[in-house]
Amino acid sequence: DTEVTQTPKHLVMGMTNKKSLKCEQHMGHRAMYWYKQKAKKPPELMFVYSYEKLSINESVPSRFSPECPNSSLLNLHLHALQPEDSALYLCASSLLAGGYNEQFFGPGTRLTVL
Amino acid sequence: DQQVKQNSPSLSVQEGRISILNCDYTNSMFDYFLWYKKYPAEGPTFLISISSIKDKNEDGRFTVFLNKSAKHLSLHIVPSQPGDSAVYFCAASLGAGSYQLTFGKGTKLSVIP
Repeated sequence: DTEVTQTPKHLVMGMTNKKSLKCEQHMGHRAMYWYKQKAKKPPELMFVYSYEKLSINESVPSRFSPECPNSSLLNLHLHALQPEDSALYLCASSLLAGGYNEQFFGPGTRLTVL
Repeated sequence: DQQVKQNSPSLSVQEGRISILNCDYTNSMFDYFLWYKKYPAEGPTFLISISSIKDKNEDGRFTVFLNKSAKHLSLHIVPSQPGDSAVYFCAASLGAGSYQLTFGKGTKLSVIP
């Protein structure tokens, strides 16, 4: 298995809703990442987990809450989002955290906040 | 300040010819460079990488060249195929100890049959 899967593919939520994005990989990778990508922009790093511990939080608002229950799973819990949070949310993984490790991306979740 | 620049938003190439995608960077501390391909509604797919100690890396139809003195890298695709039509992102890393990839804005490649 050489892929990163993400569910759901599309999500529409209101500003008062609570929802979660899910990411899974079975490549034995020990680093997992959340990125946000707006239209016609490059991906922007949000969070990095290394060995299930949060290593990087790129000053992301607290309405985004990541969770890494085990080495294969990564969740992003969403609460009280704003319309400007609408974007493609990408999950990625790499064998290890660190700059010499290629990151493998999932297909993304297209999030729309109404 | 954009540290990784892809100055051509789009490129059109005839099938069978060479596609050359360019990328410039400003941070001389970048140590590792990657190219990703992205189709619409999909996540980026890793293509090829190069370490700063090399000036060329080849994988099948894809070759990446690095010119450190010019802070420039390029991706060559030979021969180009219609299935190569996608957005190509250049990314750079500060190497060991850095978790962040800095991406360029992408170049949309169209390969015309």
